Amino acid sequence: RKEVEQDPGPFNVPEGATVAFNCTYSNSASQSFFWYRQDCRKEPKLLMSVYSSGNEDGRFTAQLNRASQYISLLIRDSKLSDSATYLCVVRNSNSGYALNFGKGTSLLVTP
Amino acid sequence: DTAVSQTPKYLVTQMGNDKSIKCEQNLGHDTMYWYKQDSKKFLKIMFSYNNKELIINETVPNRFSPKSPDKAHLNLHINSLELGDSAVYFCASSQGAPYYEQYFGPGTRLTVT
Repeated sequence: RKEVEQDPGPFNVPEGATVAFNCTYSNSASQSFFWYRQDCRKEPKLLMSVYSSGNEDGRFTAQLNRASQYISLLIRDSKLSDSATYLCVVRNSNSGYALNFGKGTSLLVTP
Repeated sequence: DTAVSQTPKYLVTQMGNDKSIKCEQNLGHDTMYWYKQDSKKFLKIMFSYNNKELIINETVPNRFSPKSPDKAHLNLHINSLELGDSAVYFCASSQGAPYYEQYFGPGTRLTVT
């Protein structure tokens, strides 16, 4: 079983829609949680960290449920520029500083 | 200025050859990483160096050898290249502390023929 699991999608949504991505992780020792964004043929870039109390950054809201080992990302008012692959990322206490990536969820926002 | 740079960007080579990929960061970070992204887009850690010392060495064939001459550089040498080594290799850096962002280089697309 992969350490970080995501629905690969693709998610095709119209501009202005709200879309939610889910992610589960298997290691209960996981300490830090992130969402990264990767555009086609580009490097991953940090979108936002995920905190236990949940956090929001503009149109993006991230939630963490440690009991269920579940992370979510909500994107409101989708823009064409949001089209990308969204990577759920977890760092465990026994992996040093390395990040464990999910395979990503592909989002396509259409006009 | 580019924060994390890698050379070359593209590398096409034949099976059995030896090749190197170079990575440099100008962010003053003390930790650097190599990740591999395979054809299924799965990104996986290979190595991590903290202050020039190897701290993570995942299950990677010993044909892969990282070298960190100083904190700003982490190179990856690959011996006897195989078809299955074809992938995109990303270098990344961070300031060590786990909550800090990792910055990725643009990637090196390696194709072994």
